[in-house]
Amino acid sequence: LAKTTQPISMDSYEGQEVNITCSHNNIATNDYITWYQQFPSQGPRFIIQGYKTKVTNEVASLFIPADRKSSTLSLPRVSLSDTAVYYCLVGEDTGRRALTFGSGTRLQVQP
Amino acid sequence: GAVVSQHPSRVICKSGTSVKIECRSLDFQATTMFWYRQFPKQSLMLMATSNEGSKATYEQGVEKDKFLINHASLTLSTLTVTSAHPEDSSFYICSARDDDLQGRNTEAFFGQGTRLTVV
Repeated sequence: LAKTTQPISMDSYEGQEVNITCSHNNIATNDYITWYQQFPSQGPRFIIQGYKTKVTNEVASLFIPADRKSSTLSLPRVSLSDTAVYYCLVGEDTGRRALTFGSGTRLQVQP
Repeated sequence: GAVVSQHPSRVICKSGTSVKIECRSLDFQATTMFWYRQFPKQSLMLMATSNEGSKATYEQGVEKDKFLINHASLTLSTLTVTSAHPEDSSFYICSARDDDLQGRNTEAFFGQGTRLTVV
């Protein structure tokens, strides 16, 4: 499975856009990029997944350059409730394979 | 959306006793479920893969006789921490994907986690 590198922590203020970049230099052809969010004392929650270019849903956008060696999760206008740990995962998305979590990025949103 | 339910959410037990944690997929079937452990300020670490009707597969360093896994049905997997010790205190999380969506890109659903404290 491709190893990922993310910033350990980030700080932001309410209303700002937050971009969290993840490096995955060894991504394989069949690998997808998936982001999960985890609040304290809760299980992770799926945010978004993509393979290339740009994906957008009601929560976030995911930008993936052509070489796919990195990806950026974009959270528009964050609020205090977006304070959480965000994990970037890379791998083949098959049901029988466990997800491998890296260290994640701890986002702290201030008022 | 699909939900994975874990029970209990919190448990405190005495050293030397056993604790069972249940993981249920509420509206889908899951032949495979995964168990993770998470220590404070750390990431999730995969402990084992639970397979319905067969033995679980454990990650290196995880004692199968200490962490008993039973996946008796397509919607239920249990993790039993036997002879618990304070160092087993952790946050245990299960995960599953919908069997009907095998081979397609699907999200993994996680339980709400179980906070185990061994005193």
